Amino acid sequence: EDKVVQSPLSLVVHEGDTVTLNCSYEVTNFRSLLWYKQEKKAPTFLFMLTSSGIEKKSGRLSSILDKKELFSILNITATQTGDSAVYLCAVIQGAQKLVFGQGTRLTINP
Amino acid sequence: KAGVTQTPRYLIKTRGQQVTLSCSPISGHRSVSWYQQTPGQGLQFLFEYFSETQRNKGNFPGRFSGRQFSNSRSEMNVSTLELGDSALYLCASSLDTRETQYFGPGTRLLVL
Repeated sequence: EDKVVQSPLSLVVHEGDTVTLNCSYEVTNFRSLLWYKQEKKAPTFLFMLTSSGIEKKSGRLSSILDKKELFSILNITATQTGDSAVYLCAVIQGAQKLVFGQGTRLTINP
Repeated sequence: KAGVTQTPRYLIKTRGQQVTLSCSPISGHRSVSWYQQTPGQGLQFLFEYFSETQRNKGNFPGRFSGRQFSNSRSEMNVSTLELGDSALYLCASSLDTRETQYFGPGTRLLVL
């Protein structure tokens, strides 16, 4: 059965800390891995990773994919309260089917 | 460019009724996917349409159906509603196969 597993499920840190969110997957016909941030409404796109070992970076956020070990990490440095959200990892499988992980609920305390 | 839009944003129905939700993709996007999000099950894939054809389908009963029009707008229909169908229904569009999907704001459905 195809599955995407995220850890931890919940994380509480202080503003300014660095966090690492994990995503492991076991799917057939892997195409790409996506990271989304979901606050109160719909998920917003963060990164799309297709190749192993190439870090994608956007401000304080960065992500990398390891296709051999079947996982990805999302790093957030110098966290701010606005980073509080659920972070979703999803794998594009086959033509265009997304399989989502359960999400990591990140809370940043001031 | 305008984002993905979904209507209605909120809906209350009773068991046994049917409902139709609408999604307008980002201009130029031809692929539209539908997802159900509940606290217990998380985000689950319903189906995906591309050029008016359903290409992928998730593990949902036949009460859940959809279609896509020539302008790429898509509708999702749920018949004989059950309490468990209460959820946030999200639509996402992308340019083509394997491209990044962009989500709409969702339709929150409450079944009483």
